[in-house]
Amino acid sequence: AQSVAQPEDQVNVAEGNPLTVKCTYSVSGNPYLFWYVQYPNRGLQFLLKYITGDNLVKGSYGFEAEFNKSQTSFHLKKPSALVSDSALYFCAVRDIGTGFQKLVFGTGTRLLVSP
Amino acid sequence: EAEVAQSPRYKITEKSQAVAFWCDPISGHATLYWYRQILGQGPELLVQFQDESVVDDSQLPKDRFSAERLKGVDSTLKIQPAELGDSAMYLCASSLRPTPGEKLFFGSGTQLSVL
Repeated sequence: AQSVAQPEDQVNVAEGNPLTVKCTYSVSGNPYLFWYVQYPNRGLQFLLKYITGDNLVKGSYGFEAEFNKSQTSFHLKKPSALVSDSALYFCAVRDIGTGFQKLVFGTGTRLLVSP
Repeated sequence: EAEVAQSPRYKITEKSQAVAFWCDPISGHATLYWYRQILGQGPELLVQFQDESVVDDSQLPKDRFSAERLKGVDSTLKIQPAELGDSAMYLCASSLRPTPGEKLFFGSGTQLSVL
């Protein structure tokens, strides 16, 4: 079965600095990978996805993610963090090698951007 | 922008009572999902509908949980009887199609507390 690991419970970064939120995955086939963000008392919002093609994917709010097949990683990045980026970030994967493609989420990483 | 509507926003109940949550997906979205998010964890799929049919309910505790989407539009998730371990955020999501690369749109969720 597919799985996702987010090794950091929390990432702290100063405003204006680059940020990285890590994600690794495990699938039997080929992965479809997603990042979602959750603000307090809100549902999840889609940020970006990787299906095929370019390994660098650009998404909403200036975020991007790099797919690395050899390292089975899909880290989320932003060149310059904003205080308003502080939220809970979830990586998710669909294994398109299996019959039913359930979307499986990681445990989440809390991003705290300090002024 | 269209949103997924959920109600109630908060629900407090005593164990052994029945509770019900309602979800209205974005108009035209054929696929509807119910997720459970326990504090500190990522969302876990409980049930997925394609129109009015259940596609996956493998993680739904069927002895106490039930879900329906009678006319293929809005949906209700019921718990009877509620247990202390059911305390969680219940998220509804929808997507236009059930294809693997489709992004999900989430509602704000129902926060359930079982006392």
